[in-house]
Amino acid sequence: SQTIHQWPATLVQPVGSPLSLECTVEGTSNPNLYWYRQAAGRGLQLLFYSVGIGQISSEVPQNLSASRPQDRQFILSSKKLLLSDSGFYLCAWSEPGQGYEQYFGPGTRLTVT
Amino acid sequence: QKEVEQNSGPLSVPEGAIASLNCTYSDRGSQSFFWYRQYSGKSPELIMFIYSNGDKEDGRFTAQLNKASQYVSLLIRDSQPSDSATYLCAVNTGSARQLTFGSGTQLTVLP
Repeated sequence: SQTIHQWPATLVQPVGSPLSLECTVEGTSNPNLYWYRQAAGRGLQLLFYSVGIGQISSEVPQNLSASRPQDRQFILSSKKLLLSDSGFYLCAWSEPGQGYEQYFGPGTRLTVT
Repeated sequence: QKEVEQNSGPLSVPEGAIASLNCTYSDRGSQSFFWYRQYSGKSPELIMFIYSNGDKEDGRFTAQLNKASQYVSLLIRDSQPSDSATYLCAVNTGSARQLTFGSGTQLTVLP
């Protein structure tokens, strides 16, 4: 069966510091991968998605970037965090060529101070 | 702008009652519709999906889809306190199998 991991689970970072969040998926090949952000009490905002290694599409202009160095690894980064980057960051995967169902990882709660 | 709208609630129902959650969407080209449950502080969990007009039942959950009205709903029968959560409606949009999410409806089941 497929599993998705995210780390770290929680993170407190000062404004202006760098960020690296990691997501890995097990039990599937060439998944579609997604990064979402959920601000407190808000819905899910799609940040990036990837259909393959090195293929990244950005949905929202911002100071974040994403990379997919391996088939089942998806990384979210920032060079300098802003207060507005605080939120719950969720990685999700979906099976290519199948339905549209997306499955979420446990998430990373980021607080920028 | 492709949108998915949900009543934010909160919606309160007594234990054992039927909870009805509603969602409307703007993109007539959408073909796939999903309901996720999100407990406080946790990530969303897929509980139902529906592709065709009509009803789809899975245990105590029934998803209902009306494409002509661009309306999808989730019914929870025999509601339990453990059903207390935020329910997110999601609709496929765009390419790469993207989903657009509503802002969620907070459901509280009162013992």
